[in-house]
Amino acid sequence: AQKVTQAQTEISVVEKEDVTLDCVYETRDTTYYLFWYKQPPSGELVFLIRRNSFDEQNEISGRYSWNFQKSTSSFNFTITASQVVDSAVYFCALLYSSASKIIFGSGTRLSIRP
Amino acid sequence: SQTIHQWPATLVQPVGSPLSLECTVEGTSNPNLYWYRQAAGRGLQLLFYSVGIGQISSEVPQNLSASRPQDRQFILSSKKLLLSDSGFYLCAWSPPAPYQPQHFGDGTRLSIL
Repeated sequence: AQKVTQAQTEISVVEKEDVTLDCVYETRDTTYYLFWYKQPPSGELVFLIRRNSFDEQNEISGRYSWNFQKSTSSFNFTITASQVVDSAVYFCALLYSSASKIIFGSGTRLSIRP
Repeated sequence: SQTIHQWPATLVQPVGSPLSLECTVEGTSNPNLYWYRQAAGRGLQLLFYSVGIGQISSEVPQNLSASRPQDRQFILSSKKLLLSDSGFYLCAWSPPAPYQPQHFGDGTRLSIL
């Protein structure tokens, strides 16, 4: 089965803390892509990153970093020194080779308290 | 650059009334197009997707339908809305190539009274 699990429904931290959002995926395909999206309170989904199954290098973009580990089928997202503007719902997603559509996780609602 | 427009932003409709939500994409040709629904506090549910004009795949049986009359236009319709149709509707597009990310419109908040 193809599936994305975001076990953390809601996370609340104080500003400037680091926070990690977990994502675990299931797929039988050897070629697949993983994504993270951010949905701020305004509602639109913003694409953050795409990662293919053959590239396990971690990626850093400013305060954002992503840890892809095929051994544990995880693609976790860490925000360093969180800010109030990071408050949003974050979705992890999977696109596998035999599909033309993305499978989204159920999302993690992140609240950053000032 | 590519842009996606979705309207209206909000809509309040009575039960049993018809619905038409429109989505257009600019700056690209032959995009893949998608309609999603998001119930309050919930995840995304794929409703329809299209890989070309007149080609619609339905993911969930319901009283909604979709049409793609032009290459970059995607319309979500209903003849008679139900209370359960309330939600946040998002249109998205992706390039016509494998493994591309989807890019979303601003969404339509639909309330059924």
